[in-house]
Amino acid sequence: GEKVEQHESTLSVREGDSAVINCTYTDTASSYFPWYKQEAGKSLHFVIDIRSNVDRKQSQRLIVLLDKKAKRFSLHITATQPEDSAIYFCAASPNSGGSNAKLTFGKGTKLSVKS
Amino acid sequence: EAAVTQSPRSKVAVTGGKVTLSCHQTNNHDYMYWYRQDTGHGLRLIHYSYVADSTEKGDIPDGYKASRPSQENFSLILELASLSQTAVYFCASSDWGPQDTQYFGPGTRLLVL
Repeated sequence: GEKVEQHESTLSVREGDSAVINCTYTDTASSYFPWYKQEAGKSLHFVIDIRSNVDRKQSQRLIVLLDKKAKRFSLHITATQPEDSAIYFCAASPNSGGSNAKLTFGKGTKLSVKS
Repeated sequence: EAAVTQSPRSKVAVTGGKVTLSCHQTNNHDYMYWYRQDTGHGLRLIHYSYVADSTEKGDIPDGYKASRPSQENFSLILELASLSQTAVYFCASSDWGPQDTQYFGPGTRLLVL
């Protein structure tokens, strides 16, 4: 099955700098790559995703890049703010649904934004 | 706003006992999922369901059963709880599949002694 590796387990940046979190996946059939955020002591919520028909997507200060040849995708957070501090999970899904419906998560990156 | 609730929010269980974790969603979503979160492992899929009265195995189903009696409700059952099942459990729902945004519940912290 799909395996997703999240390369940075922790990341510390200064407020206002950019943060980059990198993930790789193994299944060439994967076509959907979301990112979720988990603030301390809370649940997860969706932040941004990218599908395999594009290689870049931006939502305000968040940019996701996808390199299908390298089976790599990354989350870029620009102009970081203290409220960006959280654990970020990348994920990948090769399936569209039914009895093979799985989203595989990475282990998470704990981002600390220091003011 | 999508709404997924879980009960109980925390539980202490004894080894060998039966534990049932419940999840309820008001999103009218077809898909529901159970994940466990452990430090160093991220989120791992235990069971999921895409229609009432049917469940599917995820990546780590051993030691767990699931039940989807209605579209809104999805339960995770530990028939014989073990120490290794101490974790935080999250339920989630999505509308049309894993490639749709998943909405997570608040989580259940389970401690097996």
